[in-house]
Amino acid sequence: EVQLVETGGGLIQPGGSLRLSCLGSGFIASSSYMNWVRQAPGKGLEWVSVIYSSGSTYYANSVEGRFTISRDSSKNSVYLQMTSLRVEDTAVYYCARDGTGTYYMDVWGNGTTVTVSS
Amino acid sequence: SYVLTQPPSVSVAPGLTARITCGGIDIGSKHVNWYQQKPGQAPVLVMYEDSDRPSGIPVRFSGSNSGDTATLTISRVEAGDEADYYCQVWDSSSDYVFGSGTKVTVL
Repeated sequence: EVQLVETGGGLIQPGGSLRLSCLGSGFIASSSYMNWVRQAPGKGLEWVSVIYSSGSTYYANSVEGRFTISRDSSKNSVYLQMTSLRVEDTAVYYCARDGTGTYYMDVWGNGTTVTVSS
Repeated sequence: SYVLTQPPSVSVAPGLTARITCGGIDIGSKHVNWYQQKPGQAPVLVMYEDSDRPSGIPVRFSGSNSGDTATLTISRVEAGDEADYYCQVWDSSSDYVFGSGTKVTVL
């Protein structure tokens, strides 16, 4: 069964850092385009970042320069390093697979909650 | 950046048809994907590349895309279809873009 499990969320103060992890099973994450998508409380979905199978990375303007996406093929995992966190980064963060450049997300994790508050 | 516009809400009686629109400049030239999200759950892909259904999605769900509007149609609506629905495209200048979402209420 193809599955994604996110971990690493929590309560963090503004200006702090946090690293989210996404463990894939049933498929090879490094052969896919792997995304992070977030959803602020009561709001819609917002794309955050993607790492292509080639290793190229892209970010939403709202997180460019503060967040870094990476992967570890040996662990079949993708990560999101978040720095200089702001209150407006508070959200459920989902990991989602885009097969291979099909540009739709066919597998989603259950999400991990990040709360930025003093 | 590319913008997708959805109506905030759609209400429909059981057994009838719900149509959820997604507007964008020349959206007909792009592939549109649709996600269903029920409260407290992760999104689920229900339509991809305008009109293709993933395995396990009922045939009651169909999609179309032309001009400046894409539409997700749910025929013979059931109580279990009550959810938020998001359209999504990929744009070369904006990467992955989601619509604002439409809450479907089954009366």
